[in-house]
Amino acid sequence: DAKTTQPPSMDCAEGRAANLPCNHSTISGNEYVYWYRQIHSQGPQYIIHGLKNNETNEMASLIITEDRKSSTLILPHATLRDTAVYYCIVRGVYNTDKLIFGTGTRLQVFP
Amino acid sequence: DGGITQSPKYLFRKEGQNVTLSCEQNLNHDAMYWYRQDPGQGLRLIYYSQIVNDFQKGDIAEGYSVSREKKESFPLTVTSAQKNPTAFYLCASSVDRLDYGYTFGSGTRLTVV
Repeated sequence: DAKTTQPPSMDCAEGRAANLPCNHSTISGNEYVYWYRQIHSQGPQYIIHGLKNNETNEMASLIITEDRKSSTLILPHATLRDTAVYYCIVRGVYNTDKLIFGTGTRLQVFP
Repeated sequence: DGGITQSPKYLFRKEGQNVTLSCEQNLNHDAMYWYRQDPGQGLRLIYYSQIVNDFQKGDIAEGYSVSREKKESFPLTVTSAQKNPTAFYLCASSVDRLDYGYTFGSGTRLTVV
């Protein structure tokens, strides 16, 4: 079973920041938080991941709370092409630990 | 450009037939994975392989088989034993590093007719 909880859907106006929350209250100290997104009928795309510190790349920012029980993915200026299902995934540090996908958040960006 | 290629994009199969889905990567990744996705659902892991000539069952391996004879290739066979094979199949690969993401192919949509 997925170790994360996400809202099933969210809306965001084009040009505004999209803040996608994720709860992972049972995360252990050495588990990473990964974010992927899946545009309709395509393979998932890696966005960002983090362990403890906040992270930023050219696509998004990841804010992880100090207790690590939740995180927020931020798309700073959402575009229509950001409409997708966003998956928050917790992955362990052992090589046998695999990505386990939940049902994600369907983000709809509107004009 | 490096990437992961799945073929065909669409596949139709008659009931009772085996069918093989292709997955090839030129990223020099050690690990490869097969996932299945049903409408409105997340991805479920079928099989994975961390090294050539070795593979492990995932959560829903029944009715599927794989091989890993080359680092670049990880074909998936959907056998007639798979009761509900109609789905979207995704292949992925990764380096053997825990701080690295997976790269996914564009998927194969299998329909049983």
